[in-house]
Amino acid sequence: DGGITQSPKYLFRKEGQNVTLSCEQNLNHDAMYWYRQDPGQGLRLIYYSQIVNDFQKGDIAEGYSVSREKKESFPLTVTSAQKNPTAFYLCASSYHTDRAPRGENIQYFGAGTRLSVL
Amino acid sequence: QKEVEQNSGPLSVPEGAIASLNCTYSDRGSQSFFWYRQYSGKSPELIMFIYSNGDKEDGRFTAQLNKASQYVSLLIRDSQPSDSATYLCAVNPIISNFGNEKLTFGTGTRLTIIP
Repeated sequence: DGGITQSPKYLFRKEGQNVTLSCEQNLNHDAMYWYRQDPGQGLRLIYYSQIVNDFQKGDIAEGYSVSREKKESFPLTVTSAQKNPTAFYLCASSYHTDRAPRGENIQYFGAGTRLSVL
Repeated sequence: QKEVEQNSGPLSVPEGAIASLNCTYSDRGSQSFFWYRQYSGKSPELIMFIYSNGDKEDGRFTAQLNKASQYVSLLIRDSQPSDSATYLCAVNPIISNFGNEKLTFGTGTRLTIIP
């Protein structure tokens, strides 16, 4: 059953604590992305990775960190430096444009993790 | 200026009518355009994508692209209550030699189909 799996579905963070959100895909996609969505807002890009062992900051990377040690996995750590972490976090993946049928960047999303602060 | 703009709505449409969702973008070199549907509390799912000027139809959905006017729209024919959701427009800017680019998302239009 191919897809993108995010865990946990709900997560609570205590003040000063780092938490890690998991994202795993078995679609053999090259690129992976992390977005943040606040109520009534669109998606804002946190980090993205196009190949293993490489990643780039998105528009709102401060207070977050990522790693890409395996093609299938792209975990996101919300650090204590992120002062307003309450949001819906979405992981997505896509083929590299060189491998996509028409060079498109179609991103597919996991079910999301809802993070709240205790 | 926002890079991708959508009317936030809510847009209310009677069941069976045509729902029209609009999106404008600022980067004239944008290459491809996507419509995602997002139900409340769920993640976005791809509805349609379009690259060329004109119309692209898939079932009850039609995407329309006008690059000269920097405008993309989504029409939903024979609207059903199950179409009630937020619709996100996403734009892929100029493709670099490196490959994948970031998608830029609009804030979404909330659509309500009235039975």
